[in-house]
Amino acid sequence: AQKVTQAQTEISVVEKEDVTLDCVYETRDTTYYLFWYKQPPSGELVFLIRRNSFDEQNEISGRYSWNFQKSTSSFNFTITASQVVDSAVYFCALSDLNNAGNMLTFGGGTRLMVKP
Amino acid sequence: EPEVTQTPSHQVTQMGQEVILRCVPISNHLYFYWYRQILGQKVEFLVSFYNNEISEKSEIFDDQFSVERPDGSNFTLKIRSTKLEDSAMYFCASNSILGQTGTEAFFGQGTRLTVV
Repeated sequence: AQKVTQAQTEISVVEKEDVTLDCVYETRDTTYYLFWYKQPPSGELVFLIRRNSFDEQNEISGRYSWNFQKSTSSFNFTITASQVVDSAVYFCALSDLNNAGNMLTFGGGTRLMVKP
Repeated sequence: EPEVTQTPSHQVTQMGQEVILRCVPISNHLYFYWYRQILGQKVEFLVSFYNNEISEKSEIFDDQFSVERPDGSNFTLKIRSTKLEDSAMYFCASNSILGQTGTEAFFGQGTRLTVV
């Protein structure tokens, strides 16, 4: 069975600090996909990134970067120079080939609070 | 940019009443989903729908729940006899053109259901 664990339930930082959100996953499949979604206070789920299991190259998009380590089953998300607008709940999610419907299994989420 | 739209944004219903949540997925998508998020908790998969039938469902999706694509554009979730514990945010999502494994799901803004 697939499982996603986000051990940090809540993180508080001061603006301009860097912050890393951890994500650890479990799956029996060798082909799988990992995602990060952002849920701002308004409640919607905003897609941030998708990564497949064959691509361990780290990715950077502006202030966001992702570190995929297959050896430790982790897909961590770093925000550099955090801003107040980054305050949200961030969810890591997994989709593998064991399900016919491409469903996502979400982690419990990490609430990030960025203080001015 | 195409988006998934959900109506209503908030619905209050009395326990025991039937409720229908509506969604218009992105027009050229083929996989459709319902997820649920109880307040402060993680996002949980309910059901996936492809080619006019359920492709996968979770334990949460019992006989009280049903889904339908009545007219080729809408995708609905019906809860037959609501319970207090059905109070949650319900997200509709759709997946890309060919429903390829691992493509990102696009989520609607959610319907907050309150059962009183």
